[in-house]
Amino acid sequence: AQRVTQPEKLLSVFKGAPVELKCNYSYSGSPELFWYVQYSRQRLQLLLRHISRESIKGFTADLNKGETSFHLKKPFAQEEDSAMYYCALKRSGSEKLVFGKGTKLTVNP
Amino acid sequence: KAGVTQTPRYLIKTRGQQVTLSCSPISGHRSVSWYQQTPGQGLQFLFEYFSETQRNKGNFPGRFSGRQFSNSRSEMNVSTLELGDSALYLCASSLDGHNEQFFGPGTRLTVL
Repeated sequence: AQRVTQPEKLLSVFKGAPVELKCNYSYSGSPELFWYVQYSRQRLQLLLRHISRESIKGFTADLNKGETSFHLKKPFAQEEDSAMYYCALKRSGSEKLVFGKGTKLTVNP
Repeated sequence: KAGVTQTPRYLIKTRGQQVTLSCSPISGHRSVSWYQQTPGQGLQFLFEYFSETQRNKGNFPGRFSGRQFSNSRSEMNVSTLELGDSALYLCASSLDGHNEQFFGPGTRLTVL
């Protein structure tokens, strides 16, 4: 069975500090990993996916198959980064997304 | 391009009733997925439709059903509502099921 774990429900940092949102997964095959973000009063939207290997809004995430992790990082957090972040997994060939429970990030001024 | 739309946005029902939620995907998108979001369980996959056929199904009881029309619009139905069905129901559309999923604003269902 596929499972995604986000160990931190809440994460609070100060503006300009580095931020790392943790995500661990369990899946025996080759997964596709995603980070979704939901800003206040906005709909859920894709932030980045591991296959694109790009940086979006200063965020990056590297898939570590050995540690089965896909942590989201940003070197300098901004107040506008405050949001709910969800890590999600999709197995190849399926449209089903398996989500973690989410981490609420608060960036304090 | 208009985004994914869901109607109604809010709904209040009583136990035992049934409910139908609607989702209109982005124009040209043929895949529609449904998710249930609750504080306790988070986001859980319900089912996915592509070209009017259910391709994937989550672990929900048979009271939860759906369908997709030829214009790719989708509906989901919950029969014999239970208090635990109170949730935010999200739908997401994608081009062909293997691309980025775009989410709608959700329908907030409250069961009294």
